[in-house]
Amino acid sequence: AQSVAQPEDQVNVAEGNPLTVKCTYSVSGNPYLFWYVQYPNRGLQFLLKYITGDNLVKGSYGFEAEFNKSQTSFHLKKPSALVSDSALYFCAVRDTFSGGYNKLIFGAGTRLAVHP
Amino acid sequence: NAGVTQTPKFRVLKTGQSMTLLCAQDMNHEYMYWYRQDPGMGLRLIHYSVGEGTTAKGEVPDGYNVSRLKKQNFLLGLESAAPSQTSVYFCASFTPQETQYFGPGTRLLVL
Repeated sequence: AQSVAQPEDQVNVAEGNPLTVKCTYSVSGNPYLFWYVQYPNRGLQFLLKYITGDNLVKGSYGFEAEFNKSQTSFHLKKPSALVSDSALYFCAVRDTFSGGYNKLIFGAGTRLAVHP
Repeated sequence: NAGVTQTPKFRVLKTGQSMTLLCAQDMNHEYMYWYRQDPGMGLRLIHYSVGEGTTAKGEVPDGYNVSRLKKQNFLLGLESAAPSQTSVYFCASFTPQETQYFGPGTRLLVL
């Protein structure tokens, strides 16, 4: 079965330190991978995506993600965390059985807390 | 350009009541989606539409109906609300070359 796993419910980081939010996936074929961020009482906002090409993908707000095919991972990273980065982060993978309808399979989400 | 909008923002229903959630997008997207978000479960797809006049079932369709009479609108209906439908509902729109754009959400509480 196709799935996305975010093994950490919460990640705590001090402001200025690097952060990593983990994501692993299981799909048939080549994965299309996404990261979204959700601020309190808001909808999801797109951060970045991997379709093909460079394994290091750069996105919005200074975030980047590294695609690792052998480890089936797509971890989200940022070199220096800000308090304003505190939010709920979702990893998602395109359902390869969706016939082009771009149905996304979401992970359960990881809450990032950046402390001053 | 408002993007994706949802009405209402919040609603309280009694068990057995019905209601309709409206999603509207002004980006001329073909594909539209309804998700529900529950703690610890991420987003789950309820129904989706690949164009005006078309709808299809997602992962958790039971208890919901949808309609896409106009390209810009995607309606989600609850005919007889149940407490298990207490959730936050998100609409999203998408074209194959882009990513999904999400609305701000509707919080529904069923008593």
